Amino acid sequence: DAKTTQPTSMDCAEGRAANLPCNHSTISGNEYVYWYRQIHSQGPQYIIHGLKNNETNEMASLIITEDRKSSTLILPHATLRDTAVYYCINPYGGSQGNLIFGKGTKLSVKP
Amino acid sequence: DAGVIQSPRHEVTEMGQEVTLRCKPISGHDYLFWYRQTMMRGLELLIYFNNNVPIDDSGMPEDRFSAKMPNASFSTLKIQPSEPRDSAVYFCASRLAGAGETQYFGPGTRLLVL
Repeated sequence: DAKTTQPTSMDCAEGRAANLPCNHSTISGNEYVYWYRQIHSQGPQYIIHGLKNNETNEMASLIITEDRKSSTLILPHATLRDTAVYYCINPYGGSQGNLIFGKGTKLSVKP
Repeated sequence: DAGVIQSPRHEVTEMGQEVTLRCKPISGHDYLFWYRQTMMRGLELLIYFNNNVPIDDSGMPEDRFSAKMPNASFSTLKIQPSEPRDSAVYFCASRLAGAGETQYFGPGTRLLVL
């Protein structure tokens, strides 16, 4: 089972920031949080990952709480092409090959 | 640079037939993963390889499924005999050693077993 919990769905207006929350209350000290997304009929796409510091790349920002029990993925200016299922993943203990995909959050960006 | 390549993109077959799915990982990547996605079970890891060696096949559903990686640039997932419940989208992914879990996925093969 996935070690994270996310809302089932969210809506966002085009051009506005999309803030996707994730709870990972059982995360251990050396475990990262990864975010992927899956656009309809495509393979999952890596977005960003972090350990304890906030991270930013060309796609998104990741804000991790100080206690590391939750995080928020921020898409600063959502577009219609950002409509997708977003997965927050906490791989087990750094072990390889353990991307456990839960149900994710279905983000709908509306005009 | 080409991403992960999968073939065929779509496959329709009849129950009992052998199905072979193919994957070419990104050049230089050390790890290769096979996943299956269905509405009921979501995205599941079937098996993964490191340097062409199978490391964990605990996700392979049963003996009808087998996977091979004869060299660093090619892998196959075979289902023999196929059953209707095998209908799903099968994804291949690859990544570099030392890249954590930053995996790059292919476009998938949509399999329908009649």
